[in-house]
Amino acid sequence: GQQLNQSPQSMFIQEGEDVSMNCTSSSIFNTWLWYKQDPGEGPVLLIALYKAGELTSNGRLTAQFGITRKDSFLNISASIPSDVGIYFCAGPHGSSNTGKLIFGQGTTLQVKP
Amino acid sequence: DTGVSQDPRHKITKRGQNVTFRCDPISEHNRLYWYRQTLGQGPEFLTYFQNEAQLEKSRLLSDRFSAERPKGSFSTLEIQRTEQGDSAMYLCASSPSTGVNEKLFFGSGTQLSVL
Repeated sequence: GQQLNQSPQSMFIQEGEDVSMNCTSSSIFNTWLWYKQDPGEGPVLLIALYKAGELTSNGRLTAQFGITRKDSFLNISASIPSDVGIYFCAGPHGSSNTGKLIFGQGTTLQVKP
Repeated sequence: DTGVSQDPRHKITKRGQNVTFRCDPISEHNRLYWYRQTLGQGPEFLTYFQNEAQLEKSRLLSDRFSAERPKGSFSTLEIQRTEQGDSAMYLCASSPSTGVNEKLFFGSGTQLSVL
């Protein structure tokens, strides 16, 4: 079945550093979503991507929809302590437009002040 | 409206007890979803509603689980005869039925601990 693999599994960086993480799949996705989850809270949507090759920014966050449609990347520039959390990629299950999402296992980010 | 609301935030129960969770979606959203998340994993789809109709259920949703959305607004998720393996964060999400349905907006979740 469809699976999303995120890497790295965790990152521990210094405040001010840039961060890159990615998400790969063995099958094609038509939409890529990036969520952030703080401890004890639900995921919050950061960026949505709908077209192969698309590059979209949200403040210090930039995400790209891979040309093969089997991967996506998220970059965070000049990290700050509030960037701490778990970042999930997600995509729609199958080809139906139902909102049924598959999530990766997450990349945990820790930022040292 | 400030977003998806879930109640309670935390629930501790003994094995064998029944529990019920409530979700109030964003008011103009017709679709409502339930997901389950265990430690170290991403959320997993359980079921979803289009208005009051339950359109799909995951195989993860055993017979002990039932979800309702009687008036197409709030939803409840009930777990009967809870087991320790039911311990997880139960997340509710909503989305509009038109436009980009994959943009799900999640609540803060209900953390269930079964002792």
